[in-house]
Amino acid sequence: EAGVAQSPRYKIIEKRQSVAFWCNPISGHATLYWYQQILGQGPKLLIQFQNNGVVDDSQLPKDRFSAERLKGVDSTLKIQPAKLEDSAVYLCASSPGSGGDTQYFGPGTRLTVL
Amino acid sequence: GESVGLHLPTLSVQEGDNSIINCAYSNSASDYFIWYKQESGKGPQFIIDIRSNMDKRQGQRVTVLLNKTVKHLSLQIAATQPGDSAVYFCAYSQPLGNTDKLIFGTGTRLQVFP
Repeated sequence: EAGVAQSPRYKIIEKRQSVAFWCNPISGHATLYWYQQILGQGPKLLIQFQNNGVVDDSQLPKDRFSAERLKGVDSTLKIQPAKLEDSAVYLCASSPGSGGDTQYFGPGTRLTVL
Repeated sequence: GESVGLHLPTLSVQEGDNSIINCAYSNSASDYFIWYKQESGKGPQFIIDIRSNMDKRQGQRVTVLLNKTVKHLSLQIAATQPGDSAVYFCAYSQPLGNTDKLIFGTGTRLQVFP
């Protein structure tokens, strides 16, 4: 079974630029999650989708971050404009159920904002 | 607010010894707990989980213990190997409407030396 795929793996941009990350969850998984992981910390949930609807985006900085999950499969996370403090690893995860079940993570995208 | 914490940020053990990684949580409503292992440059990998109706669960070389009275979770690794070196996160499921979200702790780094 293929795992969660993410691209790109690494991205370096300057502050105020825009960036987008892509995630392809495990086939058939209903719930998709985006996390931000700052170095030395645990992952922090940014947004949780169930199929193509948003379940929780309370921790998403909506003035600069946006995410969508069209057709309930792939998802993109965008940052516009980026700030220095956005430097982190962005992890995508998926789970088969509606949440509260085992989440499977992708390799992450390491973002560096200069 | 609700939190999940770890008692020891770094744990060093000798190869072959047993390792115990601890975690304290504060949300008494949580009913699902997970341990993840994260190696450098990779996403978190599921190790073992436990629901609140159990106090012990065993896997291959790993055991999770749950003490709901004192809100404490531990991960025991038997005969620790160099490949066990990683950061370990505990996480708990927090109710979110009709579903749940996952809250991660800050992690414990396990170092295995020969």
